[in-house]
Amino acid sequence: QTVVTQEPSLTVSPGGTVTLTCASSTGAVTSSYYPNWFQQKPGQAPRALIYSTSNKYSWTPARFSGSLLGGKAALTLSGVQPEDEAEYYCLLYYGAAQVFGGGTRLTVL
Amino acid sequence: VKLVESGGGIVKPGGSLKLSCAASGFIFSNAWMSWVRQAPGKGLEWLGRIKSKSDGGTSDYAAPVEGRFTVSRDDSINTLYLQMNSLKMDDTAFYYCTTYGSGWDLNYWGQGTLVTVAS
Repeated sequence: QTVVTQEPSLTVSPGGTVTLTCASSTGAVTSSYYPNWFQQKPGQAPRALIYSTSNKYSWTPARFSGSLLGGKAALTLSGVQPEDEAEYYCLLYYGAAQVFGGGTRLTVL
Repeated sequence: VKLVESGGGIVKPGGSLKLSCAASGFIFSNAWMSWVRQAPGKGLEWLGRIKSKSDGGTSDYAAPVEGRFTVSRDDSINTLYLQMNSLKMDDTAFYYCTTYGSGWDLNYWGQGTLVTVAS
């Protein structure tokens, strides 16, 4: 069974920079896994942020960026705002199936 | 784009339930669609997808639900379905429908419908 692993929790100060990562039990994550990133706030549906590793949607704030880092997919938030406190999920493509990571709870403190 | 799920509720273990997702604001017949669920207080779980009929109309499923859940669509009324059979208590979750974008991405999401499996 394929497992996608994210940091359970991270803390960042307002204005700071933080990088969340997404690893696959099958090996290094490449662009062929089409990494997606989502943000979810309490009581809300998830919102898409990044697709195909680094592409942004029209609604994605400029401070969010996606990349590949050390064999993992990565989401970097630069100049973190208090409203960025949320759960973040990655999603990887494995052909016939896609698998979410367990999520990273980001605290802005 | 608007996606509105319905059909959730309370069902007994072993029972069945069919969820619907009414779509508007885009050409539904051209869209690939998926279902994702989230157990209360837990993470997201991709359940399955259905391609557009022009791309074959076939479905793919996550291993935990394959054989029990079926994704279908009715393009004449812009509606996506999730038929769930042999339900277990572990299937208790919010169920979301989503659209696919151009890069295997789930770009638009509904607000979800809650399914509770309990005796």
